Amino acid sequence: EVQLVQSGAEVKKPGESLKISCKGSGYDFSSYWIGWVRQMPGKGLEWMGIGDPSNSNFRYSPSFQGQVTISADTSISTAYLQWSSLKASDTAMYYCARGAAGTWLYWGQGTLVTVSS
Amino acid sequence: QSALTQPASVSGSPGQSITISCTGTSSDIGHSNYVSWFQQHPGKAPRLIICDVSSRPSGVSTRFSGSKSGNTASLTISGLQAEDEADYYCNSYRSSGIHVFGTGTKVTVL
Repeated sequence: EVQLVQSGAEVKKPGESLKISCKGSGYDFSSYWIGWVRQMPGKGLEWMGIGDPSNSNFRYSPSFQGQVTISADTSISTAYLQWSSLKASDTAMYYCARGAAGTWLYWGQGTLVTVSS
Repeated sequence: QSALTQPASVSGSPGQSITISCTGTSSDIGHSNYVSWFQQHPGKAPRLIICDVSSRPSGVSTRFSGSKSGNTASLTISGLQAEDEADYYCNSYRSSGIHVFGTGTKVTVL
């Protein structure tokens, strides 16, 4: 059974760094793309970036370029989304998803990130 | 990087059919067959209901159907049921190499 299991909720202060994870199981992690999606409270879905974990070649949506870093460790079938300096506006639910030929069938359960002083 | 345009809300009575439009450009919907639709219930992760413009993943009800004409994609829900009340998002691959979601549509079953 294909599963994407994300790390737990985080509460951080502005300016702090953060790395959240997405662990894949039940499939060859290197053979499928990974994407990260943001959903701010009460708002819609936004792609942050997508790419190939086998070569760490990730593309970012313009709004997120330079704001976050996506990475992956195929040896432990895990993708990451990280911030070097969080802002209050980063408060959101973050989802990872598995992609194949433009189809995003499997999704993680989401990680809620709250940034507040 | 603007989102695809969807109506904010659509409603219908049980048993009726409704259609949600998703308007993009020649750089996304008009350019790609990687057009998909997601259903999202409150507090839940998105669920893929249509991929590749009109294909249904295994387990998705045949009441959901998708189509595309030019720069506009559409999702039709036939035989509307109470459980269909949710937010719906279209999604398309964009020629810049990233995907883009629609603005989202809240479906209300009257």
